[in-house]
Amino acid sequence: GQQVMQIPQYQHVQEGEDFTTYCNSSTTLSNIQWYKQRPGGHPVFLIQLVKSGEVKKQKRLTFQFGEAKKNSSLHITATQTTDVGTYFCAGPGGNAGNMLTFGGGTRLMVKP
Amino acid sequence: DTGVSQDPRHKITKRGQNVTFRCDPISEHNRLYWYRQTLGQGPEFLTYFQNEAQLEKSRLLSDRFSAERPKGSFSTLEIQRTEQGDSAMYLCASSLTPKPLEQFFGPGTRLTVL
Repeated sequence: GQQVMQIPQYQHVQEGEDFTTYCNSSTTLSNIQWYKQRPGGHPVFLIQLVKSGEVKKQKRLTFQFGEAKKNSSLHITATQTTDVGTYFCAGPGGNAGNMLTFGGGTRLMVKP
Repeated sequence: DTGVSQDPRHKITKRGQNVTFRCDPISEHNRLYWYRQTLGQGPEFLTYFQNEAQLEKSRLLSDRFSAERPKGSFSTLEIQRTEQGDSAMYLCASSLTPKPLEQFFGPGTRLTVL
């Protein structure tokens, strides 16, 4: 079945440093979504990428979708303590692509 | 607040007991999903509904698990004869078709089976 993998599993950074998490799928994806889960919270949708090679920015966050639509990345510039949490990528899965297959997530910890 | 709500937020039960969780999706959303999340892992799909029809179930979902969405609004997830391995956070999410499908998650029900 479809597998979605993320690296690294954990990342400690000093506040102000950059952070990147990488997502790889075993199959080609029609789209990829990114979610953020704060400690003790629930996943919150960040963005969806659909086109091959697409790049989207949200303030300090930059999201990329690979040319082959099998990988994606999230880069945070100049991390802040508010960025703390676990970042998940998710691709459509199931019989008709109507559910999400989540990666294992990358837990970001920011030292002030 | 018009977000996804779940009840209860926490449930502690003894092995072998039955438990039932409720999810109220965002009112206009026609799709409702159940996921399970264990510590340090991403959410794992269990099942989803479009309106009142249950359209897909994970192969990982044992027959001790059953979900309903009788009127196409709220949903219940029941676990019969709970086992310690069922301890997890049970997340409900909803979305509005058509694709692409941004999902809105509820706060979850944390189940602890003793």
